[in-house]
Amino acid sequence: GAGVSQSPSNKVTEKGKDVELRCDPISGHTALYWYRQSLGQGLEFLIYFQGNSAPDKSGLPSDRFSAERTGGSVSTLTIQRTQQEDSAVYLCASSLVGTGRQPQHFGDGTRLSIL
Amino acid sequence: GESVGLHLPTLSVQEGDNSIINCAYSNSASDYFIWYKQESGKGPQFIIDIRSNMDKRQGQRVTVLLNKTVKHLSLQIAATQPGDSAVYFCAESLSQGAQKLVFGQGTRLTINP
Repeated sequence: GAGVSQSPSNKVTEKGKDVELRCDPISGHTALYWYRQSLGQGLEFLIYFQGNSAPDKSGLPSDRFSAERTGGSVSTLTIQRTQQEDSAVYLCASSLVGTGRQPQHFGDGTRLSIL
Repeated sequence: GESVGLHLPTLSVQEGDNSIINCAYSNSASDYFIWYKQESGKGPQFIIDIRSNMDKRQGQRVTVLLNKTVKHLSLQIAATQPGDSAVYFCAESLSQGAQKLVFGQGTRLTINP
């Protein structure tokens, strides 16, 4: 079946521009997560959506970062006034939420380069 | 989170040998653990998970061991193959609050022919 889909796969933009990254989760997965992976490092949690609950934004590094999830499915991560330190791979994951813990399944990410 | 850098710990093994990748997790309150495999240019791929009420779980060619006393997790890969070459991450999750994952720094596994 289809996995998590992210677009674009690569994005190069100039410092100061805004960017929008998209994530299509696995169909039926109610939980959606955004992570950031800097070169050669582990993943850093950014934000988590679950159903109609208020999102957990505790990982967003600054107020330039925001995310929304429309209709409980597709999510967009927006970075305003991009800085060079925003260069990273942005990964989206989704999971089922049930009575037990469910693994998160990741897309292949958007590689963002800020010039 | 752990301090990380550009130089990941590396494990080199001969093709056909067994591999053991270790991970020390940070929070004694974590109750769910996952191992992921990440190949170059790809997102992390789920391998196996384990809950804190277990100390061992087996999958196809992989076994995860959990030692809560010393907060240690290991991934054993049997009869490693060239396709097992990748970076392996462990991740932990707390029982309370959001189900976000906290990732370790990763270990690069290289298979020698």
